Amino acid sequence: QSALTQPASVSGSPGQSITISCTGTSSDIGNYQYVSWFQHHPGKAPKLLIFDINARPSGISDRFSGSKSDNTASLTISGLQADDEAHYFCASYTTGSTLVFGGGTALTVL
Amino acid sequence: EVQVVDSGGDVVQPGRSLKLSCSAFGFPFERYGMSWVRQAPGKGLEWVAFIRARGYGGTTHYAASVKGRFTISRDDSKNIASLEMNSLRIEDTALYYCVRLGEDYYTMDVWGKGTTVTVSS
Repeated sequence: QSALTQPASVSGSPGQSITISCTGTSSDIGNYQYVSWFQHHPGKAPKLLIFDINARPSGISDRFSGSKSDNTASLTISGLQADDEAHYFCASYTTGSTLVFGGGTALTVL
Repeated sequence: EVQVVDSGGDVVQPGRSLKLSCSAFGFPFERYGMSWVRQAPGKGLEWVAFIRARGYGGTTHYAASVKGRFTISRDDSKNIASLEMNSLRIEDTALYYCVRLGEDYYTMDVWGKGTTVTVSS
């Protein structure tokens, strides 16, 4: 199972919106609702932001939203804040009964 | 408070074995699947293995990179999940996270702080 494809980096200014893409195949993202997004600050445990494509766990800001089209999932962060600067990973369930992560995207808040 | 606490990381030589443990608190452990995820130095997250709740067959699933070498297990009487790692390779060096799988069975929703495994001669 190959890793899902994410851009290595994205950037935006405070207050702006950015979108991170996560491209898979019909064997993972394209076939399941089990797509998640995680925020990872260095030295901390990853934090679940979005699950089941577009659901937010309790306590997660509505500035974070998810969507999916065919084999590509997307995470949008609106109203960028300095604390949003982190690595972001997507993940999906696969037809092989495994889980797979994206390579990760480094977000820089300018 | 819902939490998982991972432990057992160490420095080991290539070819040796190591067992990681994950203790669960604050939720009915037997009803949830459990997983291990790792992050090698300077790399992204890599899913390693998961085990379903016994009520869903308790089946185990592995990444190709560890299949046949690693074994995930659970002891519902002690609220503990484990990862037995055999024939360790240098490329297994990583921070290993224990992770709970949420109510949809596949969302990694509660993460431990990680335990470090270093494979070096």
